[in-house]
Amino acid sequence: DTAVSQTPKYLVTQMGNDKSIKCEQNLGHDTMYWYKQDSKKFLKIMFSYNNKELIINETVPNRFSPKSPDKAHLNLHINSLELGDSAVYFCASSRKDRPYGYTFGSGTRLTVV
Amino acid sequence: AQSVTQPDIHITVSEGASLELRCNYSYGATPYLFWYVQSPGQGLQLLLKYFSGDTLVQGIKGFEAEFKRSQSSFNLRKPSVHWSDAAEYFCAVDGGGNKLVFGAGTILRVKS
Repeated sequence: DTAVSQTPKYLVTQMGNDKSIKCEQNLGHDTMYWYKQDSKKFLKIMFSYNNKELIINETVPNRFSPKSPDKAHLNLHINSLELGDSAVYFCASSRKDRPYGYTFGSGTRLTVV
Repeated sequence: AQSVTQPDIHITVSEGASLELRCNYSYGATPYLFWYVQSPGQGLQLLLKYFSGDTLVQGIKGFEAEFKRSQSSFNLRKPSVHWSDAAEYFCAVDGGGNKLVFGAGTILRVKS
């Protein structure tokens, strides 16, 4: 059973398009995240949600809009894709009360051409 | 603000040799510290974590790490490296707000 699953695993799209990445966790965690890993492998948090409520928004362009329909799902929608959006996007989840560790999904490699 | 420094971008060790990957953090209080491993094309797997108590923590795959407050360090060690350990290793700190701050990563190469 996959704990944190992301779809799709690979996404190739043209500049200007709108795309979504889906994430689901079956761990019963309260908090979910989106992290971005750039071409130099640097990982940085983008958003975190706690039980459907936005907690962290790290100065991400408003073309990026997370949506959490319930605490087990956190989707990422990206409008008007740009070349610089090419990266690997990781979803993660954790318990709210103590950071006992984050469980990461396997990542979505987004390539904008 | 919290930060994590991994001084070594690449490290190459011979199979069977010992390994130490360095990690220094910046945080005022006692941090929560983590080591993750990322194999090529894969996600991040948690190796071990430190919250409190014993400063030497054991993880999966034979890895251990030691928290040294005086040096603000959390170095990862393994006594005998296997070829399958070749991957990129990330140290991270959770300094509050359930936000992980990662180091830049260290790429481990294992030569036979």
